[in-house]
Amino acid sequence: KQEVTQIPAALSVPEGENLVLNCSFTDSAIYNLQWFRQDPGKGLTSLLLIQSSQREQTSGRLNASLDKSSGRSTLYIAASQPGDSATYLCARGNSGYSTLTFGKGTMLLVSP
Amino acid sequence: DAGVTQSPTHLIKTRGQHVTLRCSPISGHKSVSWYQQVLGQGPQFIFQYYEKEERGRGNFPDRFSARQFPNYSSELNVNALLLGDSALYLCASSLGQGIDTQYFGPGTRLTVL
Repeated sequence: KQEVTQIPAALSVPEGENLVLNCSFTDSAIYNLQWFRQDPGKGLTSLLLIQSSQREQTSGRLNASLDKSSGRSTLYIAASQPGDSATYLCARGNSGYSTLTFGKGTMLLVSP
Repeated sequence: DAGVTQSPTHLIKTRGQHVTLRCSPISGHKSVSWYQQVLGQGPQFIFQYYEKEERGRGNFPDRFSARQFPNYSSELNVNALLLGDSALYLCASSLGQGIDTQYFGPGTRLTVL
């Protein structure tokens, strides 16, 4: 069974801190790894997609890495802001048809 | 350009009833996937459709069914509703080929009483 685990479940930091969210997955035959943001009661916003042949992707203050051999991905957020407060979900792509297996998410609170 | 749209936004049903949820993909996208997100959990894959054909199915009972129309919009149907079906139902669209970013809609919040 393919599983995705996210640690920590919740994180609270003061504004301006750099932080790392962790994601681990079983089965190294991963197709891709995607990070999403979800605001309370809302849908998902795609942040970064890392293909299995890549090691990292960057977008603005966000950097995501992928290490297939250890079954891990990290999402690095630089200079956090209150607007970054949300739940962050990682999901592994399971095939060329892009079905996704999600972790439970990390709930991030950035306080002013 | 419009993103993925879903209707209705909220829905309240009673046990045993039937529900139909609707999704319109991004223009040009031919694949639609459905996910169920129970409170406090990550989304779980239910179905994927591409070019009107079912291409994948998650571990859900036969009470769940779906279809895709010629314009690539999709419906998710759930029969004989149970309290445990209360969840946020998310639709995602993609081009449907190769390495493919999934774009999610805002979801339909279903409450079963």
